[in-house]
Amino acid sequence: EAGVAQSPRYKIIEKRQSVAFWCNPISGHATLYWYQQILGQGPKLLIQFQNNGVVDDSQLPKDRFSAERLKGVDSTLKIQPAKLEDSAVYLCASSLNGAGETQYFGPGTRLLVL
Amino acid sequence: QKEVEQDPGPLSVPEGAIVSLNCTYSNSAFQYFMWYRQYSRKGPELLMYTYSSGNKEDGRFTAQVDKSSKYISLFIRDSQPSDSATYLCAMKDGGFKTIFGAGTRLFVKA
Repeated sequence: EAGVAQSPRYKIIEKRQSVAFWCNPISGHATLYWYQQILGQGPKLLIQFQNNGVVDDSQLPKDRFSAERLKGVDSTLKIQPAKLEDSAVYLCASSLNGAGETQYFGPGTRLLVL
Repeated sequence: QKEVEQDPGPLSVPEGAIVSLNCTYSNSAFQYFMWYRQYSRKGPELLMYTYSSGNKEDGRFTAQVDKSSKYISLFIRDSQPSDSATYLCAMKDGGFKTIFGAGTRLFVKA
């Protein structure tokens, strides 16, 4: 069974530029999560999708971050414009149906904003 | 006060030692308790998943949950250098959101 795929693995941009991350979850998984993990901290949920609908985006900085999951499969997370404090690892995870289910994480995208 | 508190370490032990990792939490609504292992430059992977209070054992790993004290633990027996990683506790209530601790960095010396 293929795992959660993410790209790119690394990205370096300057502040005020835009960047986009892509995630392909495990086949058949209805729930998709985007987390932000700042160095030395645990992952923080940014947004959670159930199929192509948003379940929770309460911690997503909506003035600069956006995410979509068209057709309930792949997802993209965008930052525009980026700030220095956005430097972090962006993790995508998926689970079968969300409530009480195991989350499987991708390798993450490491973002550095200069 | 953070919802989940975890000592970031680092914790350094010799090979073969018993390792004890702990988290405390403040939200009494948490029902599901998890431990994830995260190797450097990798995503977290689930190690243990428990519901409510009690113990759960899986090979060299034992997870304990004490809801009355709002305290969870992960024990690793006969620790190996390959156990060197960051260990994240995580918990959730009956809903969808999972709250992670900051992670404890563990080093097992050969």
